[in-house]
Amino acid sequence: QSALTQPASVSGSPGQSLTISCTGTNSDIGDYNFVSWYQHHPGKAPKLIIYEVNYRPSGVSNRFSGSKSGNTASLTISGLQAEDEASYYCFSYRSATGLVSGLVFGGGTKLTVL
Amino acid sequence: QVQLVESGGGVVQPGGSLRLSCAASGFIFKTYGLHWVRQAPGKGLEWVAFIGHDENYRNYTNSVKGRFTISRDNSMNTLYLQMNRLGPDDTAVYYCVKGRAAWGLEYWGQGTLVTVSS
Repeated sequence: QSALTQPASVSGSPGQSLTISCTGTNSDIGDYNFVSWYQHHPGKAPKLIIYEVNYRPSGVSNRFSGSKSGNTASLTISGLQAEDEASYYCFSYRSATGLVSGLVFGGGTKLTVL
Repeated sequence: QVQLVESGGGVVQPGGSLRLSCAASGFIFKTYGLHWVRQAPGKGLEWVAFIGHDENYRNYTNSVKGRFTISRDNSMNTLYLQMNRLGPDDTAVYYCVKGRAAWGLEYWGQGTLVTVSS
């Protein structure tokens, strides 16, 4: 199963805002609002930060926000902080097309805080 | 609080088998779907398998279909992953994950490492 497409890396300075994109197809992101985002620090368990495109779980900072347009979902982090340095993954349901079905991650984006 | 504790990882030879377990607590186990997700060394996250709350629905990523079987014991609050015909590409940290509505991955265990090597 081919992954959703994310930039391999992004970087920003403390206090800045940045956006990570996640591009899929009309069999996944384009057709469903089942997009979620995960923050993963090395050696720790990944953490859900956005679900159903733009909802934040309790306890997640409101500096994280999600959106979607067409086949592309986006994660925006505002007021960048050193603790935000991590890898970020998008995730979506994908309907059956030929032999492909199920759930799929993006390739991951490594965020560096300068 | 929700706790998911994986066990059963280790080193196995190519072609071998391994069964992972995940002991869950802190939520009503029988009412939630559960996933296995893995991360190979230096690679990204990969969804592996899902099982519905009552085992009536299971789905797998294509690369493990016919080799891996996800199951659960709702009386023991335990999730399993039986892995057969293992190959080097199956080397990864395997995470047990509590699902949420709309296919979210709500809570993650700390993972267990599976190494396939001769």
